[in-house]
Amino acid sequence: GIQVEQSPPDLILQEGANSTLRCNFSDSVNNLQWFHQNPWGQLINLFYIPSGTKQNGRLSATTVATERYSLLYISSSQTTDSGVYFCAVWRWGYQKVTFGTGTKLQVIP
Amino acid sequence: EPEVTQTPSHQVTQMGQEVILRCVPISNHLYFYWYRQILGQKVEFLVSFYNNEISEKSEIFDDQFSVERPDGSNFTLKIRSTKLEDSAMYFCASSRNEQFFGPGTRLTVL
Repeated sequence: GIQVEQSPPDLILQEGANSTLRCNFSDSVNNLQWFHQNPWGQLINLFYIPSGTKQNGRLSATTVATERYSLLYISSSQTTDSGVYFCAVWRWGYQKVTFGTGTKLQVIP
Repeated sequence: EPEVTQTPSHQVTQMGQEVILRCVPISNHLYFYWYRQILGQKVEFLVSFYNNEISEKSEIFDDQFSVERPDGSNFTLKIRSTKLEDSAMYFCASSRNEQFFGPGTRLTVL
């Protein structure tokens, strides 16, 4: 099956700092999504981004499908950004979804 | 805004008992999924469901598990004889393209 690795596994940021989270996948996919799991366990959609670049406020994401990676950028981080960030990938026609290992982010005041 | 709902939010059961976890997907979605997350670990795919049948399933989804869409709106996951290692958070999701997750059911097997 497809392997999905995320880096870094853990990240501590001072409030206001910027960061880049990476998601590498081992095979071609045509669906990729980023999620934030908040401290209460909810999985919040951030981006559905099979390719290209999207921005939503302080967050943006880029997927380069041909090179099998995606990046999530967080700018001007806030304490509410704390939690675990997951990417998930799958292919149409094979609805078997693989989640990455996650990046645990802690933003300190 | 439409959302995926799940009931119950927390279920406690004795080992060997059957449990049914319930989900109401977003109404115009076509694909439905169940996932589980053991505390502190990553989210694991269990099964996907499309056109009233299982589309894909993982190695975790053995004969103890089954899914149903009994009435065209609900989507259920049944675990026939629970084991201690089934204790986890179970998430339902639905999609047309991007996936939307429900809030989860925390299952505790004693």
